[in-house]
Amino acid sequence: GAGVSQSPSNKVTEKGKDVELRCDPISGHTALYWYRQRLGQGLEFLIYFQGNSAPDKSGLPSDRFSAERTGESVSTLTIQRTQQEDSAVYLCASSSRAVLYEQYFGPGTRLTVT
Amino acid sequence: RKEVEQDPGPFNVPEGATVAFNCTYSNSASQSFFWYRQDCRKEPKLLMSVYSSGNEDGRFTAQLNRASQYISLLIRDSKLSDSATYLCVVNQAGTALIFGKGTTLSVSS
Repeated sequence: GAGVSQSPSNKVTEKGKDVELRCDPISGHTALYWYRQRLGQGLEFLIYFQGNSAPDKSGLPSDRFSAERTGESVSTLTIQRTQQEDSAVYLCASSSRAVLYEQYFGPGTRLTVT
Repeated sequence: RKEVEQDPGPFNVPEGATVAFNCTYSNSASQSFFWYRQDCRKEPKLLMSVYSSGNEDGRFTAQLNRASQYISLLIRDSKLSDSATYLCVVNQAGTALIFGKGTTLSVSS
C-alpha cells in the first residue's frame, strides 16, 4: 500500500518568505507527527496530532511555526517569515491507533532558506 | 542530561564482525523502546521494537535494562548493507517518540 508522502520534496525560499509543507499519512493512521532534522543532527520533535487535534505542540521552536490537520488525513506545516536557521529536512510520520509507537516516515521535505 | 544518549561512532567494522551499540535514556517513565535505522539522506525506518525480555530478529538482538535505563543492539555477521545510522528511540505515554542522535556504522569488505 501507499506510504507516507510529503510535498514538495525540495523547497528553496528566500529569507522572510512563508512556506507550507504538506504531509499525506498512511490511510487509516490516526496519529501524525512532524520532526525536523538539521544537517548531521538528530531528529527534533515538532508537533503531534491525534486525529485532528494536537495534544502536544511542545516542540514548535517559535510562533512562526504552526501546523494543522484536517479530516484526520493531510497535514500542513507552515513556517512564516523563514530564517536561515529553519533550513533542514522536515519529516512527517504516521502511526495507527493500535500501534502508536511504530511510526512510518515520509521521505521528507528539504527546506533551504537563502 | 540529554533524554536519549548514544555513542555517535563511527563504528568501522569488517564484514562478518559482531558489533554492539548502547543507548541510555533519562526518563524512568519511558514505556516503549525501539531501534530505527536511517540510511544517508533517507528517512528513518523502524528496525525493531525492544521488549523487556530481550528479543531477536535474525542477526539483530535487542536488550533492555530498565533498572539501568539502558538499551542495546547487537548485530551479528555484519553485512555491507548494514552500513547506516542506528537510532535509539524511547516513548512515554501520550508523547511522541524521542530519538537519540544515532550511532553510525560502516561495514567494509
